[in-house]
Amino acid sequence: QSALTQPPSASGSPGQSVTISCTGTSGDVGAHNYVSWFQQHPGKAPKLLIYEVTNRPSGVPDRFSGSKSGNTASLTVSGLQAEDEADYFCNSYTGSTVIFGGGTKLTVL
Amino acid sequence: QVQLQQSGPRLVKPSQTLSLTCAISGDSVSSNSVAWSWIRQSPSRGLEWLARTYFVSTWSYEYAVSVRGRVTINPDTSKNQFTLQLNSVTPADTAVYYCVRAPHAWGGIVSFDIWGQGTTVTVSS
Repeated sequence: QSALTQPPSASGSPGQSVTISCTGTSGDVGAHNYVSWFQQHPGKAPKLLIYEVTNRPSGVPDRFSGSKSGNTASLTVSGLQAEDEADYFCNSYTGSTVIFGGGTKLTVL
Repeated sequence: QVQLQQSGPRLVKPSQTLSLTCAISGDSVSSNSVAWSWIRQSPSRGLEWLARTYFVSTWSYEYAVSVRGRVTINPDTSKNQFTLQLNSVTPADTAVYYCVRAPHAWGGIVSFDIWGQGTTVTVSS
């Protein structure tokens, strides 16, 4: 199965908002609400930020929000902070397997 | 507080079997509200889901097509842990391996909320 498509990089200044896209197909992202987003700092395990397209686990700041339109899911980080500089990954389900995006490196300028 | 503690060798020879263990604290491998998976990450392949097991009346097992036939995930209820075995490894299996949990109530297939610390496994002679 093909990986989900994410832009390799994104950037923004402190206080700004950045949106990262995750494009799949009608067989995965577009088929259901099984889309999650993860944040990964260097040398660390990924951390769940968003599940089922829009839901945040307890403890995740509301600066992180998710949405979906058709076959593309999006993660928006509002009020950028220095600690938001990290890699971000999306994932979804094809009906038989879990697939991930290639990741987006977010730089806080 | 749920924690996953991974253990296993960091160096495996080509053609041999990679074996990793994930010990669970704060939850049960037999819980009927979560699923347990193995995921790996490498620069060449990115994040790759490998296998999943969960208990709802009976045990279920699911495997990624890319490793099917070489991979086994097994729950160990006596030790509250689960294991990964990957046979006939090649250098392409070199990666950081993670054990993870996904709650069924959160769209359990992809909502990996708890991660182990990761084990860097190198396949080399």
